[in-house]
Amino acid sequence: SQQGEEDPQALSIQEGENATMNCSYKTSINNLQWYRQNSGRGLVHLILIRSNEREKHSGRLRVTLDTSKKSSSLLITASRAADTASYFCATDPSGYSTLTFGKGTMLLVSP
Amino acid sequence: GAVVSQHPSRVICKSGTSVKIECRSLDFQATTMFWYRQFPKQSLMLMATSNEGSKATYEQGVEKDKFLINHASLTLSTLTVTSAHPEDSSFYICSASWQLTNEKLFFGSGTQLSVL
Repeated sequence: SQQGEEDPQALSIQEGENATMNCSYKTSINNLQWYRQNSGRGLVHLILIRSNEREKHSGRLRVTLDTSKKSSSLLITASRAADTASYFCATDPSGYSTLTFGKGTMLLVSP
Repeated sequence: GAVVSQHPSRVICKSGTSVKIECRSLDFQATTMFWYRQFPKQSLMLMATSNEGSKATYEQGVEKDKFLINHASLTLSTLTVTSAHPEDSSFYICSASWQLTNEKLFFGSGTQLSVL
């Protein structure tokens, strides 16, 4: 069963703008991860945030986690056309990598 | 970073035939591998968890006899879709974890299966 629910389902922005995607989940977690998928390809791990962390940065990515609200957000700053992809959040309840993925957000960045 | 190789990337087969998909960890030993299925524009659904040297653990609703998983070594897991039907057409993706307690997963590039 699906755990995470991302919103929006689709997001269209211009290059240079920031993109924010949200993820809500239902049960307790050990960590939450964000992945990127280009069309017809596998997933690439972007960032992992543990349940005792509130914010994490990696390059142009910023992830927040609010365990009281069971939600996370992914912010991509200064977006580029190459950021066009689907982004998925995934929750790990135990730390043993049995991930449950959300439905994903399709991001389109126009030049 | 760690590399997971998945083959074939695309396969077209006739209804009733069996298809084998391989997932290899190229530069690390994967104690656990995971198999997912993804329909167009939808999320990944976990099918089974594969541990080296033991039987795979299947998710509820996934037919064990339909989707045979073998994890004979620390670098190779295979998924065989037996007696494939058009409804088995989907995108199948494998992933591997480096160590049992390493949460980060490395994904293969996926296999697009089309059953005619």
